[in-house]
Amino acid sequence: EIVLTQSPGTLSLSPGERATLSCRASQSISSNYLAWYQQKPGQAPRLLIYDASSKATGIPDRFSGSGSGTDFTLTISRLEPEDFAVYYCQQYGSSPYTFGQGTKLEIK
Amino acid sequence: EVQLVESGGGLVKPGGSLRLSCAASGFTFSNAWMNWVRQAPGKGLEWVGRIKSKTDGGTTDHAAPVKGRFTISRDDSKNTLYLQMNSLKIEDTAMYYCTHYNGVWHWGQGTLVTVSS
Repeated sequence: EIVLTQSPGTLSLSPGERATLSCRASQSISSNYLAWYQQKPGQAPRLLIYDASSKATGIPDRFSGSGSGTDFTLTISRLEPEDFAVYYCQQYGSSPYTFGQGTKLEIK
Repeated sequence: EVQLVESGGGLVKPGGSLRLSCAASGFTFSNAWMNWVRQAPGKGLEWVGRIKSKTDGGTTDHAAPVKGRFTISRDDSKNTLYLQMNSLKIEDTAMYYCTHYNGVWHWGQGTLVTVSS
């Protein structure tokens, strides 16, 4: 089973700042099948990035995904108030598909 | 447009059973690999399991915490995915989502299962 470790656990930033979230896998992810989700309280997860760097429909340009193999990054170039939420990564390169434990992005 | 609509959640006692359904539309369901994902209150996301399309063998994979208690199945004539949950435990309390990947991930809105005496 591939274990995904997200860091940091909590990230405190101000609107307008740049956010860098990390997702590290215990082994290489096949075909870079790595997704990022945003989740706000009471809502289903919202897909941001799939296949490590492809942006889902309707996702603002300030969101970008990068990385390959075992190290992946979600970058939010300039934080907007609505970006403060919990972010999860998920690998779907091999079963069992697994999720990271999440990074909480909070307002400083 | 892909739509996934879960139903069947509710309150059940420990040791009880429940069957969840996920009605799919907007894609060729019979060709799709389908998944269940859950989220316990205040916790992270947990993959529950997957079923392949019949053309790919129709086999299932279940996560270790649910193996032997939960069974994923499908009815391609009804475009519906199922999750049969037996021997339910308090720790199975969660929102259950069905998901599908066709080059992009799609999620339903979830159905809440509460296991409590």
